[in-house]
Amino acid sequence: DPKIIQKPKYLVAVTGSEKILICEQYLGHNAMYWYRQSAKKPLEFMFSYSYQKLMDNQTASSRFQPQSSKKNHLDLQITALKPDDSATYFCASSQEDRGGGTEVFFGKGTRLTVV
Amino acid sequence: GDSVTQTEGLVTLTEGLPVMLNCTYQSTYSPFLFWYVQHLNEAPKLLLKSFTDNKRPEHQGFHATLHKSSSSFHLQKSSAQLSDSALYYCASSSSSFSKLVFGQGTSLSVVP
Repeated sequence: DPKIIQKPKYLVAVTGSEKILICEQYLGHNAMYWYRQSAKKPLEFMFSYSYQKLMDNQTASSRFQPQSSKKNHLDLQITALKPDDSATYFCASSQEDRGGGTEVFFGKGTRLTVV
Repeated sequence: GDSVTQTEGLVTLTEGLPVMLNCTYQSTYSPFLFWYVQHLNEAPKLLLKSFTDNKRPEHQGFHATLHKSSSSFHLQKSSAQLSDSALYYCASSSSSFSKLVFGQGTSLSVVP
């Protein structure tokens, strides 16, 4: 059973539109993340959240907005979509402690194509 | 900021030959180093993680040694298998809340 559920698996959007990517984790972790993987760049950190609180934001554009309605839920809203936003978006989670270096678990990703 | 470099984009090996994928890093602090493996259309999964006590991590026949003097964490395996074909990412983390910095990735293709 997948422990990190991402929906949808595939998504096609029109330039200028808005989409929401869904993520839920059932690992009981205290931290959740979004990463992006595109053809031009490797896996790239976007956001980290803990108990619905934003911990780090490495996304320059305000068009990307994470939304957390529950502590095991972290959606990603993307507005004014551009073709360059085409990528696979991975939701991830981990159980963080003060020591750092904990294992990050990834969902299977949402592949977004903007036309 | 932190960075991770993987010099090989694509490595093609014959089954049974040894594997070595390069990884070097730059960091202000002493980061944790990781190898993640991603099979086609799957999620990245942790393969190995560096230890703080200089022990050598091993998993599924793969091992890696953290060399702080050369800032390297190369991935090795004595004998490649067809099932090892995948995308391998080296990553570092210097902080909590696991902001992982990934290298460009190395695509390993093992052929008969």
